[in-house]
Amino acid sequence: KAGVTQTPRYLIKTRGQQVTLSCSPISGHRSVSWYQQTPGQGLQFLFEYFSETQRNKGNFPGRFSGRQFSNSRSEMNVSTLELGDSALYLCASRDFGGTGNSPLHFGNGTRLTVT
Amino acid sequence: GENVEQHPSTLSVQEGDSAVIKCTYSDSASNYFPWYKQELGKGPQLIIDIRSNVGEKKDQRIAVTLNKTAKHFSLHITETQPEDSAVYFCAASIRSGGSNYKLTFGKGTLLTVNP
Repeated sequence: KAGVTQTPRYLIKTRGQQVTLSCSPISGHRSVSWYQQTPGQGLQFLFEYFSETQRNKGNFPGRFSGRQFSNSRSEMNVSTLELGDSALYLCASRDFGGTGNSPLHFGNGTRLTVT
Repeated sequence: GENVEQHPSTLSVQEGDSAVIKCTYSDSASNYFPWYKQELGKGPQLIIDIRSNVGEKKDQRIAVTLNKTAKHFSLHITETQPEDSAVYFCAASIRSGGSNYKLTFGKGTLLTVNP
């Protein structure tokens, strides 16, 4: 099976712009989660989608949003970018969502740099 | 609040020695505890996990122990090799409202195995 695929691998944006990141989960996985990884804060949970519905949400401002399509692919969007949004954004998929007791399988991330 | 503490933040060992990384969690309802290894330029990869109905699990050179009473769990790597050098993350399923759980990660341990 192919793993979790994230595109693009690298992005450079300027403050105030918006950005959309894409994630294709492992075939058959219906849950997709997004994490922000920074050296200071580690892995911070953004949100989780299951069957096109947001099941869990972390403590991020409303500028961070996401969605999931009927084929389980997911996108996350960050509007009005700030310098502090520079990070590695990781997508992870698993068989089912919400219960928290199944393995997450991560992609290699999208490295976002905001200048 | 929801919290996973991980220690140490850095660990340096000689090839062939053992390495131990420890984590504590706050939510007594947590029931799933995975460990991830992250190499440079890649996303975290699951290396072993344990559920709350087991006290110990082993997979070749890697073992995880869980003490639910004390709310801590540990990763043990024996006969370390240079390719074990990476950042290791522990995680715990933490309640995030209702019956939903999310994986909350520790801040990571940079393990260096010196040849």
